[in-house]
Amino acid sequence: QKEVEQDPGPLSVPEGAIVSLNCTYSNSAFQYFMWYRQYSRKGPELLMYTYSSGNKEDGRFTAQVDKSSKYISLFIRDSQPSDSATYLCAMSADGQGAQKLVFGQGTRLTINP
Amino acid sequence: GAGVSQSPSNKVTEKGKDVELRCDPISGHTALYWYRQSLGQGLEFLIYFQGNSAPDKSGLPSDRFSAERTGGSVSTLTIQRTQQEDSAVYLCASSLDGLRGRETQYFGPGTRLLVL
Repeated sequence: QKEVEQDPGPLSVPEGAIVSLNCTYSNSAFQYFMWYRQYSRKGPELLMYTYSSGNKEDGRFTAQVDKSSKYISLFIRDSQPSDSATYLCAMSADGQGAQKLVFGQGTRLTINP
Repeated sequence: GAGVSQSPSNKVTEKGKDVELRCDPISGHTALYWYRQSLGQGLEFLIYFQGNSAPDKSGLPSDRFSAERTGGSVSTLTIQRTQQEDSAVYLCASSLDGLRGRETQYFGPGTRLLVL
């Protein structure tokens, strides 16, 4: 079993819909939780960053972390065709493991105009 | 400003040949990372450099893989005697200070390696 599980999709929704992406993980030592967006043939770019549990909102994006359930989510409101990309969750532990990001497989998302 | 750059963008090689992949991190970033992205596998950590400290090589899949970082800046990932299973996108990232786990890692565009 992988440390981080993410449904690879693909996920296709109409423009304007609310998108929900999520990951589960098994390592209780993870403290830092990130969502990266990766466009085709580009490197991943950091979208959202959360430390420990809680919610974080940035414009149309909301990240949620539930450490008790080992479950993280990314919500995209009023989705746009430009949001079409692969979304990768990533996480890392504190201390010596802090530098190593452990990624989910990535969910390929398409927003249809 | 300039981001992380990688070269070549694409590399096609024959099985058994050696390849070198180059990464130029963001100026002033002390931490540099290499990841591998295989189809359906997500990103896999390979190696991490922090300043002049000994690198963390715990993610390297075999002794055919090695990396160095010269002068605390440019890094080269070398794969010897390439195998078809080495075909993947090799991504480099850098961060301001890898000693603090919350530092954002900035990724380059990657090198797409195909081993025939």
